[in-house]
Amino acid sequence: EAGVAQSPRYKIIEKRQSVAFWCNPISGHATLYWYQQILGQGPKLLIQFQNNGVVDDSQLPKDRFSAERLKGVDSTLKIQPAKLEDSAVYLCASSLAPASFRGKYTEAFFGQGTRLTVV
Amino acid sequence: GQNIDQPTEMTATEGAIVQINCTYQTSGFNGLFWYQQHAGEAPTFLSYNVLDGLEEKGRFSSFLSRSKGYSYLLLKELQMKDSASYLCAVAQAGTALIFGKGTTLSVSS
Repeated sequence: EAGVAQSPRYKIIEKRQSVAFWCNPISGHATLYWYQQILGQGPKLLIQFQNNGVVDDSQLPKDRFSAERLKGVDSTLKIQPAKLEDSAVYLCASSLAPASFRGKYTEAFFGQGTRLTVV
Repeated sequence: GQNIDQPTEMTATEGAIVQINCTYQTSGFNGLFWYQQHAGEAPTFLSYNVLDGLEEKGRFSSFLSRSKGYSYLLLKELQMKDSASYLCAVAQAGTALIFGKGTTLSVSS
């Protein structure tokens, strides 16, 4: 079974530039997440999709970040304009259903991530 | 609000046993997960607890006390390859995982 694919693996940009990340989830996975992981910290949820609808984007800085999941499959995350504090690894994860429901869990599978450096 | 606390770093030697603690405060609780993350790699699932008690899976065990908002991950017969970051994460109904900052475990020979 193919895993979650992300590209690019690494990206270096100057502040105020724009950048986009791409994620291809595991086939059949309805739930897709984008997480931001700053060095030395745990992943922080940016946005959760259920099929092509947004479930939770409360922690997405909407003045500069945007995400979409057209046709409920692939997803892109964009930052425009980037700031120095956006330097982090951006992880995409997918699962058949949301993480936990009625005492049953659904394992989330993570991609390798995109390491963004803003200089 | 949500708060998940775990120690920042721990060290241990090969063959030993180590316990990584996690305390949490969340509005709504639908299970606690532990993930392992090697440096530069993606997190991988280790365990899930939703009821009080101990879940054992090979060398790894995870415990949950919902009344105390407390969990631990127990690693036995430590190996060098267990050197990694261990992430405690809480699930709320129908939503994504909320992660703690992670505990970096260093195993030495």
